[in-house]
Parts: sequence; C-alpha cells; structure tokens
Amino acid sequence: LAKTTQPISMDSYEGQEVNITCSHNNIATNDYITWYQQFPSQGPRFIIQGYKTKVTNEVASLFIPADRKSSTLSLPRVSLSDTAVYYCLVEKANAGKSTFGDGTTLTVKP
Amino acid sequence: EAGVVQSPRYKIIEKKQPVAFWCNPISGHNTLYWYRQNLGQGPELLIRYENEEAVDDSQLPKDRFSAERLKGVDSTLKIQPAELGDSAVYLCASSSGQPPDTQYFGPGTRLTVL
Repeated sequence: LAKTTQPISMDSYEGQEVNITCSHNNIATNDYITWYQQFPSQGPRFIIQGYKTKVTNEVASLFIPADRKSSTLSLPRVSLSDTAVYYCLVEKANAGKSTFGDGTTLTVKP
Repeated sequence: EAGVVQSPRYKIIEKKQPVAFWCNPISGHNTLYWYRQNLGQGPELLIRYENEEAVDDSQLPKDRFSAERLKGVDSTLKIQPAELGDSAVYLCASSSGQPPDTQYFGPGTRLTVL
C-alpha cells in the first residue's frame, strides 16, 4: 500500500504562504499524487494532482522532486477560509489500493 | 455537471436497527467507492466497485455490512444490525477508471447509533 505521512497540524496567518509536505516512500512508477481539502461536514474536495516536477492551478501549486518520494502542497496567501484538513493521497494508476492518512489540519489565524 | 449525490445526509438510529445509505456517482464514472470516516481520522476504504463488480471489499465487515451496485450506476451500503461503533460519516466517491483516476467525493452521510 502507498501509505502517506503528513504533519498532524499547522498554523498560519492570513496572507502567508503555506507549504505542507507529504512523504510517500512506496510510490510506484504509474502512481499519481493528489491533494484533497476537507471542511467539516463535507466530503474531501480535489485540489491538485501531479506526477512529477511542478503543477500549478488557480488555487495551489504542487512540487514533486525527481525521486517522487515526497510532495509539497503550496497555498499562496492563505485566508481564513483555507482552514481545513488537507490530505495527500497516492492514486493508483488503475484504481488499486490507495490509503488516506489522517491529514494535516491547517488553521489560518487573522 | 452534477457531483456525487448521497442520501440521507444524516441518520440517527438505535443500536441493532438496520440502516441503508444511497449513492449516485458522477455520470460515466465506472468506479465507485464507499469509505467510512471516523472523527479526526482520514477516510477508510470499505469497498470499491468497477461497474457492477466489487473488486476490493477486504475492509468491509461482512458480518453486518453489505453493499450492492446494480446496473453499475447507483449503489447502496447497508448495515444490519448497527452497533454503537458504527457511528461515523460514510462517504461515497466515484472515478472514471482511467488514469490518473481522480476520486470525487459526495458530501457523506453522518450516522449516529444510539
């Protein structure tokens, strides 16, 4: 199983950049890395996905080093509404066994 | 495009009673997942379907849990009888089945067993 490891919690202030790192040492060649955001009483929501190097969309960037054993989610200029739990998931290329960790609880303070 | 639909959103039952959850995946998604999420933890996969076939149900407590996905679209997850420890959020997700096979989640059903 491609189990991931993330920090349990992080604190930040509005306007700061937040970087959350995830380790996934057992990632396989065809696996993708996906980050999800979850608010209370909602299901996880897709944020960003990547295979290698750097991916950027309108809400985040994802940095993946050459060995792909870790990845970093970067949230630029966070706001209070970014307070949530963030999960890193290694998505098996053919819907195999993907395992969620316990996520990182990000708290953004005013 | 409509997302994953789940019902009910909330359910309160007494222990030993049966309960069922329903999920309608995103149109065209062949793969459907049921997860259980306990408070403060990440989602735990219970069962995964590819079309009508359950391809991974290793984490499903088969003595009391059952699931079906007739016609490869909607799915129902049932618990009979429910126990106090079954209180959790039950999440349904779907994916296209094609790489990278991103999962899209519904809002979940919060089950409280009294």
